[in-house]
Amino acid sequence: SQQGEEDPQALSIQEGENATMNCSYKTSINNLQWYRQNSGRGLVHLILIRSNEREKHSGRLRVTLDTSKKSSSLLITASRAADTASYFCATDAAPEETSGSRLTFGEGTQLTVNP
Amino acid sequence: GAVVSQHPSRVICKSGTSVKIECRSLDFQATTMFWYRQFPKQSLMLMATSNEGSKATYEQGVEKDKFLINHASLTLSTLTVTSAHPEDSSFYICSARAPTGRWDEKLFFGSGTQLSVL
Repeated sequence: SQQGEEDPQALSIQEGENATMNCSYKTSINNLQWYRQNSGRGLVHLILIRSNEREKHSGRLRVTLDTSKKSSSLLITASRAADTASYFCATDAAPEETSGSRLTFGEGTQLTVNP
Repeated sequence: GAVVSQHPSRVICKSGTSVKIECRSLDFQATTMFWYRQFPKQSLMLMATSNEGSKATYEQGVEKDKFLINHASLTLSTLTVTSAHPEDSSFYICSARAPTGRWDEKLFFGSGTQLSVL
């Protein structure tokens, strides 16, 4: 079962506006990642935030993490039509001693940016 | 950056046939690859973890005999959908983790395979 729940399921905005997507999870995590998926394509990694970090920036992306609330948000500033895609959060919850972790994906938010 | 190639991108087959999907890491060695299934407008469901040189680890509810996974080399994992039926129609995506750091955190995805079983 998917751990992450994303909110909203769908978001439609105008170009230039900011888009905020939220993700909640249930278990303790090592890190949380955000991915983007264009329709009918694979996923592209956007940004990773570790459990001991609270905020991270990458270009027009800003991610926050609140481990006490088990939630994260992805903010895309000054959105463009090309940002139209599905956005997924993914949690990495493997114990440290394991050789490699597996990600659990949320349900995703479909973002539409209208020109 | 790391590149994962998945082939074919689309396949249409008759019910009862087997379909093989390949996933290759082009510029790095991937000891672990993952296979996902995705239905329209839904999230990715992990099917199995493919480890080079050993048997794949399947998620609960995924039939091992139905979805055969082979990870014969550090750059290639294959998923074979045996005796495919219409309910197997779905989007299948592979991913691989580049060997950076003590454990690897970021996944690189193939472009997916849309399987349609008639």
